[in-house]
Amino acid sequence: GENVEQHPSTLSVQEGDSAVIKCTYSDSASNYFPWYKQELGKRPQLIIDIRSNVGEKKDQRIAVTLNKTAKHFSLHITETQPEDSAVYFCAARGNNRLAFGKGNQVVVIP
Amino acid sequence: GAGVSQSPSNKVTEKGKDVELRCDPISGHTALYWYRQRLGQGLEFLIYFQGNSAPDKSGLPSDRFSAERTGESVSTLTIQRTQQEDSAVYLCASSQRPGPGTEQFFGPGTRLTVL
Repeated sequence: GENVEQHPSTLSVQEGDSAVIKCTYSDSASNYFPWYKQELGKRPQLIIDIRSNVGEKKDQRIAVTLNKTAKHFSLHITETQPEDSAVYFCAARGNNRLAFGKGNQVVVIP
Repeated sequence: GAGVSQSPSNKVTEKGKDVELRCDPISGHTALYWYRQRLGQGLEFLIYFQGNSAPDKSGLPSDRFSAERTGESVSTLTIQRTQQEDSAVYLCASSQRPGPGTEQFFGPGTRLTVL
């Protein structure tokens, strides 16, 4: 089955700087790659997603890039703010279910 | 509209007891998923229901775990003879349909503590 890995496990950034989280996946047939944000004690929520026929997608301060050849995709957060502090999960879908990475703890230092 | 709901929000049980967790998906969502999230860990897939098709049970960790879903409505996850390692948050998610590009909406989770 699909195996998704995230790096780094923890990322600290100064407020206003950019944060980048990278994920790799194993199944070349995977065609959908969402990112979920989970704030402490809350449920995961979708923040951005990308399909395999697109290389990049942007939504305000967040963007996702996909490299199908290398089988990796990244989340980019620019001009980070304290409310961006959370755990971010990447996922990949090959069949009808998502395989999630273990999550990245992002800490934005004011 | 109402989102995914789960009950109970918290459950404390003694080792060896059975527990039943409930998930009410968003109305009209045909796909339903159960995940387990241990403290500080990622989302571990357990089981997936899609309409009247046979569920994908490939993520269930042992035969103590089972789940049912009636049509396209409520689902229950049952853990028999609970063990301490079953302590985790159990998350349910639903999506309008299977396949790529379909957002999964998560419930608030049930925090299970096995003493």
